[in-house]
Amino acid sequence: DVKVTQSSRYLVKRTGEKVFLECVQDMDHENMFWYRQDPGLGLRLIYFSYDVKMKEKGDIPEGYSVSREKKERFSLILESASTNQTSMYLCASSRQGFYGYTFGSGTRLTVV
Amino acid sequence: DQQVKQNSPSLSVQEGRISILNCDYTNSMFDYFLWYKKYPAEGPTFLISISSIKDKNEDGRFTVFLNKSAKHLSLHIVPSQPGDSAVYFCAASAAGNQFYFGTGTSLTVIP
Repeated sequence: DVKVTQSSRYLVKRTGEKVFLECVQDMDHENMFWYRQDPGLGLRLIYFSYDVKMKEKGDIPEGYSVSREKKERFSLILESASTNQTSMYLCASSRQGFYGYTFGSGTRLTVV
Repeated sequence: DQQVKQNSPSLSVQEGRISILNCDYTNSMFDYFLWYKKYPAEGPTFLISISSIKDKNEDGRFTVFLNKSAKHLSLHIVPSQPGDSAVYFCAASAAGNQFYFGTGTSLTVIP
């Protein structure tokens, strides 16, 4: 069964902490994405990557960075967590051509 | 600016009846559309897709209709079942680029 795995289902972090959200896919997909889901705002793209070591800003990159050192792994980094980054974070992957994404189960991050 | 809009945040339907979820988009370059279903505390799962060369695609109880002139698509679920209760997102892309998602519609199917 093909999968996108996010390392944590729930996280609680303090304001100002550096936070790492990890995502691994086993489908040899070229493309990987980080979204956040907030009530009334839907899914908003933070960053995406077409290939190893490549990254592109999405619609809301401020306060975030990403790392993709290996094809299967895409990390989202909150350099200094703030309360407005409390959200559900979803990782997704797809093969070239964007014929649909496979999503992970999500990480519910709470920043206190 | 939201390029894909789902104007109904929620919808309630009796079991066995039809559920119709609507989605509007503004970018005429969008040529591929998806519907995803999301349960609480889970990631979205792919439901059905349609490309702009078609105006209808059917998969079991699920049918997606595309009206390009109106920039509108809809998802029909017939008959609706309690297990269909979830949040539904539509998404659109242009020429193989990133997908833009709507804000979601929460469907409740009442037994």
